[in-house]
Amino acid sequence: DTAVSQTPKYLVTQMGNDKSIKCEQNLGHDTMYWYKQDSKKFLKIMFSYNNKELIINETVPNRFSPKSPDKAHLNLHINSLELGDSAVYFCASSPGWGGGNTIYFGEGSWLTVV
Amino acid sequence: AQSVTQLDSQVPVFEEAPVELRCNYSSSVSVYLFWYVQYPNQGLQLLLKYLSGSTLVKGINGFEAEFNKSQTSFHLRKPSVHISDTAEYFCAVSDLQGAQKLVFGQGTRLTINP
Repeated sequence: DTAVSQTPKYLVTQMGNDKSIKCEQNLGHDTMYWYKQDSKKFLKIMFSYNNKELIINETVPNRFSPKSPDKAHLNLHINSLELGDSAVYFCASSPGWGGGNTIYFGEGSWLTVV
Repeated sequence: AQSVTQLDSQVPVFEEAPVELRCNYSSSVSVYLFWYVQYPNQGLQLLLKYLSGSTLVKGINGFEAEFNKSQTSFHLRKPSVHISDTAEYFCAVSDLQGAQKLVFGQGTRLTINP
C-alpha cells in the first residue's frame, strides 16, 4: 500500500490550461504539504495544511490553489499554466505540524507545460 | 531565516569506498536537521534526523551523520558504499518552533562506480 499517493504521475499540458494534481495519504497523519522541485532539483515548500486548515502559504502565485477536503487529502489546482510552472510537485504528510516531525513524500507529479 | 549549503554538487566514489557528503547550515535559532535521499524518479525518503541528544545520529542503510554546533555542520557518512546508494542526497533544516517547514540544500548527486 502506497503511503502518500499522488495522481497523475506525468502531466503534459499547454500554456494557459488549468490542471489539478490529487494527493491522498493513508498514514493517518494530520499534516499535509505541497513541495515544488525545479529543474535544478531545488526543493521548496509551497503549502502546508493541518487538519484541513492552511498553516503555511509561501510566496506562491495566486494561480496555485490548494484544497483539503479532509485530512487525508490535499489537492493542488493550478490555473493559467505558465512555462515556468514546469517542475516536479511532491505531496507529503507528517504526523504533526511541529518542526521535528518526519515528512513522508509521495513519488511526485512531473508537470511539463509546453 | 535559515539556509543550507551542500558543498559538493556531485560526489563520485568507487564501490566499497567510504563517503562523506557535506552540509552546512545558517540559522539565528536552533534547528532540527535532516538528511533525505531521492532515488531516480522517486520521492524523498528520510535517512536520518537530529532532534537533540547525542550528536552522532545513525540512520537507515548504514548511513550516519554528526551534528557539530560550533561549525554549524551536519555531514553525512557511510563507511562502505554500494551501487544501490547512487542517488541524490538532500540536507534540510527546520525550526524548533512553529510549523514544520523544511529548508533544503541544493542536493548532492552521489554516483557509485564499480
